[in-house]
Amino acid sequence: AQKITQTQPGMFVQEKEAVTLDCTYDTSDPSYGLFWYKQPSSGEMIFLIYQGSYDQQNATEGRYSLNFQKARKSANLVISASQLGDSAMYFCAMREGAGSQGNLIFGKGTKLSVKP
Amino acid sequence: GAVVSQHPSRVICKSGTSVKIECRSLDFQATTMFWYRQFPKQSLMLMATSNEGSKATYEQGVEKDKFLINHASLTLSTLTVTSAHPEDSSFYICSARAGTGMPQPQHFGDGTRLSIL
Repeated sequence: AQKITQTQPGMFVQEKEAVTLDCTYDTSDPSYGLFWYKQPSSGEMIFLIYQGSYDQQNATEGRYSLNFQKARKSANLVISASQLGDSAMYFCAMREGAGSQGNLIFGKGTKLSVKP
Repeated sequence: GAVVSQHPSRVICKSGTSVKIECRSLDFQATTMFWYRQFPKQSLMLMATSNEGSKATYEQGVEKDKFLINHASLTLSTLTVTSAHPEDSSFYICSARAGTGMPQPQHFGDGTRLSIL
C-alpha cells in the first residue's frame, strides 16, 4: 500500500483564490511528521510547512496552512490568495518514528497551475 | 534558512564517463544526507542515505557499485555515477538534515540534471 497518496495529478486555480491540495497517508506508527514541499520547474525542492502527529493545532506558515485530520489520516495543504508564482509541483511527504533517522516518503505530487 | 548547495547543476557527457556530484550544507552540520533520483513528471525516489563517517545505506534495487556515495564530513557528501550510460540520465537531488528530531525538515539542493549521450 502507498504510504502517501496524492489523488490530484493536476489542479487549476484562479489567481487570488484559495486552493486545497489533497494528501492522505498510511502509517501504524503513532509518531510521524508530515511535510509539504514545492518544486518549481527549475527543480529545487522548497520546504513549505510541517505538521507533527502530536500537534494539537493545524500548522500555518503565511499563506500556507495544513488541514490535519488525524482520524482520516489526511493532511491537505491550503494555499490562500494564490499567486502566479505558486504554479509548481507540490509534494506531500511523511517521516515515521519518534526522533527519527528515517527518510522522507513522498507522494506522487500535484501540479498546480495558477491562472491569471 | 538552511542552505544546501549542489554542484554541478547540469552535466552532459558521453557514455562510459564517471560523474561526481557534490552536495554541501552551507550553514549547518548535516548528520544525515539523502540522495534522490527523479524521472520526468514523477516523484522523488530515495537512492541512499548516508551518515557522516559511515557507509551509505542503499535502497533496494540501487547498485552501490554504480552509485558511489561518500560522506566524508558533516558538510559534504558526494555521489559518483560510475561508467554512466544513457539509462542513468535523470535528475539527481540531494538533501541534508541537521539532526534527528522529528520537526527537522530536510533541506534540498537545487538538483543536477544528468544527460548521458
